Amino acid sequence: GIQVEQSPPDLILQEGANSTLRCNFSDSVNNLQWFHQNPWGQLINLFYIPSGTKQNGRLSATTVATERYSLLYISSSQTTDSGVYFCAVLGNYQLIWGAGTKLIIKP
Amino acid sequence: DVKVTQSSRYLVKRTGEKVFLECVQDMDHENMFWYRQDPGLGLRLIYFSYDVKMKEKGDIPEGYSVSREKKERFSLILESASTNQTSMYLCASSTLIGTGQGSYEQYFGPGTRLTVT
Repeated sequence: GIQVEQSPPDLILQEGANSTLRCNFSDSVNNLQWFHQNPWGQLINLFYIPSGTKQNGRLSATTVATERYSLLYISSSQTTDSGVYFCAVLGNYQLIWGAGTKLIIKP
Repeated sequence: DVKVTQSSRYLVKRTGEKVFLECVQDMDHENMFWYRQDPGLGLRLIYFSYDVKMKEKGDIPEGYSVSREKKERFSLILESASTNQTSMYLCASSTLIGTGQGSYEQYFGPGTRLTVT
């Protein structure tokens, strides 16, 4: 089945820094999502991005489907950006999840 | 905006009790899902449903059952709760594959932290 790997597993940054999170997947996909899980456990949709580039405020994402990776960019980090970031791709009628990147933004 | 709600944020039950977790979505989505999330194990799919009264087993269905009598509501049932079912339970919904832009994008509820003592 499809394998999804995220890097780095952990990231600690000062407020105001920029970061890039990576998601590699082992097979071609036509569905990829990025989520942010906040400290209370809520999974928040960030991007639905099977290919191309999208931007939403300080966040943007790029998926290069032919090379089987996606990148999530966070600019000017804020403490509220802390949490775990997951990417997930569609397998056989269910999402296949990466292990997540745990991001801590220090004030 | 899509809204997925779950009946409780926190729940404490005793071993052997029957437990119902309710999930409601307001976007007329065909698919609904139940996951559990445990430290170090990530999100694991318990059951999903692609239509009313239809259900499919996910990766870890043992000890659980589900009910979908109405399109907007998907219930997870623990017939006899055990301590190893202490976990965070997350419900999600999505449209069917191939139904257009953003199809199959899953939206999640706030989660229920269940503790079985």
